[in-house]
Amino acid sequence: NAGVTQTPKFQVLKTGQSMTLQCAQDMNHEYMSWYRQDPGMGLRLIHYSVGAGITDQGEVPNGYNVSRSTTEDFPLRLLSAAPSQTSVYFCASTGSTAANYGYTFGSGTRLTVV
Amino acid sequence: AQKITQTQPGMFVQEKEAVTLDCTYDTSDQSYGLFWYKQPSSGEMIFLIYQGSYDEQNATEGRYSLNFQKARKSANLVISASQLGDSAMYFCAMRRGSNYKLTFGKGTLLTVNP
Repeated sequence: NAGVTQTPKFQVLKTGQSMTLQCAQDMNHEYMSWYRQDPGMGLRLIHYSVGAGITDQGEVPNGYNVSRSTTEDFPLRLLSAAPSQTSVYFCASTGSTAANYGYTFGSGTRLTVV
Repeated sequence: AQKITQTQPGMFVQEKEAVTLDCTYDTSDQSYGLFWYKQPSSGEMIFLIYQGSYDEQNATEGRYSLNFQKARKSANLVISASQLGDSAMYFCAMRRGSNYKLTFGKGTLLTVNP
């Protein structure tokens, strides 16, 4: 099924560890983005990309890195995990082929930093 | 900067009744799009309805309709004949023109009582 695939679904990290959250889409969407969701805060944009080789910061980029080497993949890297990064992370994509620029979301990654 | 405001942290409704979830937005752009998403307790983001700023008719999708009042910058979601399965968090979101970035409100938790 076409869509956005996020892995892993759950992860527990120790403070200071690094890890990469994976996101892949098979809809040839130009735009990919990462959000974090915290209680009472809605979804906040971390980083986004409008095409391979192009990335930019969103609202809450500190502590995260991204790269976009292919249209399909947009990994999110936590460089040195902190308890404040405990959150649910969503990857989303859209593009000119999507009706009304509709966004497709991954199923989310629940990250706990201890 | 664009902003989405959802003033109702929580709402209760009786099964089979209609409910309106409020959303106001702030933008100076003439072209923009408004979205509503549902997030059940399982966590996935489910697209409900879309309204473009130039659309003359209010959007409808089954039991969902969007009460779009452009001059007042409001885009309220109306759910008719509520069902127990409608209990979820609901998010309003906005995209500016051809910019793909999506800005979310903080959400409204809807509880449908039997």
